[in-house]
Amino acid sequence: GESVGLHLPTLSVQEGDNSIINCAYSNSASDYFIWYKQESGKGPQFIIDIRSNMDKRQGQRVTVLLNKTVKHLSLQIAATQPGDSAVYFCAEKVMHQGGKLIFGQGTELSVKP
Amino acid sequence: DAGITQSPRYKITETGRQVTLMCHQTWSHSYMFWYRQDLGHGLRLIYYSAAADITDKGEVPDGYVVSRSKTENFPLTLESATRSQTSVYFCASSVRGASDTQYFGPGTRLTVL
Repeated sequence: GESVGLHLPTLSVQEGDNSIINCAYSNSASDYFIWYKQESGKGPQFIIDIRSNMDKRQGQRVTVLLNKTVKHLSLQIAATQPGDSAVYFCAEKVMHQGGKLIFGQGTELSVKP
Repeated sequence: DAGITQSPRYKITETGRQVTLMCHQTWSHSYMFWYRQDLGHGLRLIYYSAAADITDKGEVPDGYVVSRSKTENFPLTLESATRSQTSVYFCASSVRGASDTQYFGPGTRLTVL
């Protein structure tokens, strides 16, 4: 069945360290994945996406890695800052139904100063 | 640049009342979506729309009605609110749907007493 899950509900890191947030997905047919950041009281905000024909994609301080063999997705945040504190969701896009997103439960990232 | 807005941001109502949540986007995106966010369930799709006058059900449509007479507006109506509909509701939009990133509004926190 379709499901997207996150390994850890909370993650606490020291400011300046790198953060790694993991995500598992079960639908091997999905070919598009997105990471969203949600700050308290706000809507999810797009961070980075990756298609299944890629293993890695880099943005500004963020890198997404995709391992299709084990159906695993990770988000790496370099030099984590207090402003990175938020809940991070991975989402799997179902290509029919107008781009239906299946969200994981979310990982709360807490950055200690 | 207003982007995507939702109103009201907070709403308290009573069981059995009709409630309409508004969503407005200024990007002329074709696709619009309604999600609800609950602890333990993450974000779940209620309804989506591919264009004006075209709507379709998502994962949890029961108890909700949508319309889309204009591209920029996508109201969500709870015809007879129930306590189980207490949630945070997010509207989102994307240019083409399946292959595009969805951009989210700030959310409406609805409490049904």
